[in-house]
Amino acid sequence: ETGVTQTPRHLVMGMTNKKSLKCEQHLGHNAMYWYKQSAKKPLELMFVYNFKEQTENNSVPSRFSPECPNSSHLFLHLHTLQPEDSALYLCASSQATPGLSGNTIYFGEGSWLTVV
Amino acid sequence: AQSVTQLGSHVSVSEGALVLLRCNYSSSVPPYLFWYVQYPNQGLQLLLKYTTGATLVKGINGFEAEFKKSETSFHLTKPSAHMSDAAEYFCAVSAAGYALNFGKGTSLLVTP
Repeated sequence: ETGVTQTPRHLVMGMTNKKSLKCEQHLGHNAMYWYKQSAKKPLELMFVYNFKEQTENNSVPSRFSPECPNSSHLFLHLHTLQPEDSALYLCASSQATPGLSGNTIYFGEGSWLTVV
Repeated sequence: AQSVTQLGSHVSVSEGALVLLRCNYSSSVPPYLFWYVQYPNQGLQLLLKYTTGATLVKGINGFEAEFKKSETSFHLTKPSAHMSDAAEYFCAVSAAGYALNFGKGTSLLVTP
């Protein structure tokens, strides 16, 4: 139990579907992240939220839409995805962004997404 | 920008043997360095990190790493491998004002 909970753990969706991934952290952190992990690729940082404000968007396609209603919750809304978007999506949180005094990022167990 | 290079995408050791996973970093400012482990079907878990101070850092499960500025390295070691150490290991770097960047990972296989 890392204190970061992701649901669902597994999701299969068609290319025309709309679905959402949910993340909740119970650590009292102020920063939250979405990472994408694909086979044979480094972890890709997608979005960063700090105190509910998006501070980083690493050129992520608009078919991925994040939402951070408060410091404890983070969503990733998915629509019209492509098969190459199939991957493990990891949510994470930290007290502050890692560049500040080397804050540790804590990860959830991930949501496995398959686009068919 | 900061980056890390993990040498060897796969490392195989015998149970009881020394584990050495290599990580070299590139950073224009003093770095913060991390090692994470990922077991199958799980997220990433912090093993250890270096921010400032003592260059030899001890982590969980008997792992340690040494920050060597002159060699721009942060290699991960464990004196004696256990079967339960089989996992994917990621080195990562950040710095003041910069996000965390991960290496491509090293898959550790432990054989009986």
